[in-house]
Amino acid sequence: GAVVSQHPSWVICKSGTSVKIECRSLDFQATTMFWYRQFPKQSLMLMATSNEGSKATYEQGVEKDKFLINHASLTLSTLTVTSAHPEDSSFYICSARDLLLSNQPQHFGDGTRLSIL
Amino acid sequence: QKEVEQNSGPLSVPEGAIASLNCTYSDRGSQSFFWYRQYSGKSPELIMSIYSNGDKEDGRFTAQLNKASQYVSLLIRDSQPSDSATYLCAVTSGGSNYKLTFGKGTLLTVNP
Repeated sequence: GAVVSQHPSWVICKSGTSVKIECRSLDFQATTMFWYRQFPKQSLMLMATSNEGSKATYEQGVEKDKFLINHASLTLSTLTVTSAHPEDSSFYICSARDLLLSNQPQHFGDGTRLSIL
Repeated sequence: QKEVEQNSGPLSVPEGAIASLNCTYSDRGSQSFFWYRQYSGKSPELIMSIYSNGDKEDGRFTAQLNKASQYVSLLIRDSQPSDSATYLCAVTSGGSNYKLTFGKGTLLTVNP
């Protein structure tokens, strides 16, 4: 089945640090990848839609200058949390769709747990 | 505001029983419906997808969709302790066949 790899799994860093998270589709091409954030005991909230070769589309309330998204190839999207602060601590999850299969579900990465001290 | 509503639970059932999870959605244009299972600290795992009215069965899982009532459900037969998790209902937004809106999830506990 389709596999999405997300790296790193855990990040612990000091306030003010920028953190990059990678999302890769391993056995399929993905023109579209999605970045979600999940706070404890809450559901997944879509942050942005990452489009290969073009600018990401951000959801209302998500700061595009703080959460930088790059989708330079059909298999890789990155999310950079710039100048991270304790309130950015959360579980970040990416997902991807297979370019060739319409109407099919998104496949999720294993998530990145970000802790800002 | 497109919404997906689920009973947050927790839902507790004995081992071997049927667990019934429900979900309603507000966007009549939604076309695709998914159930994901999420264990604590893990990312969601796809359990079922359903696209047309009626029932869809896969092993112990049955998804039911009623677009007229804007209702989708998941039945888990012969529940096992390993089924204990949060179940997330996800619906595609009308006008987009891939952007998902998630419900808040229902926490299911299956007691041995």
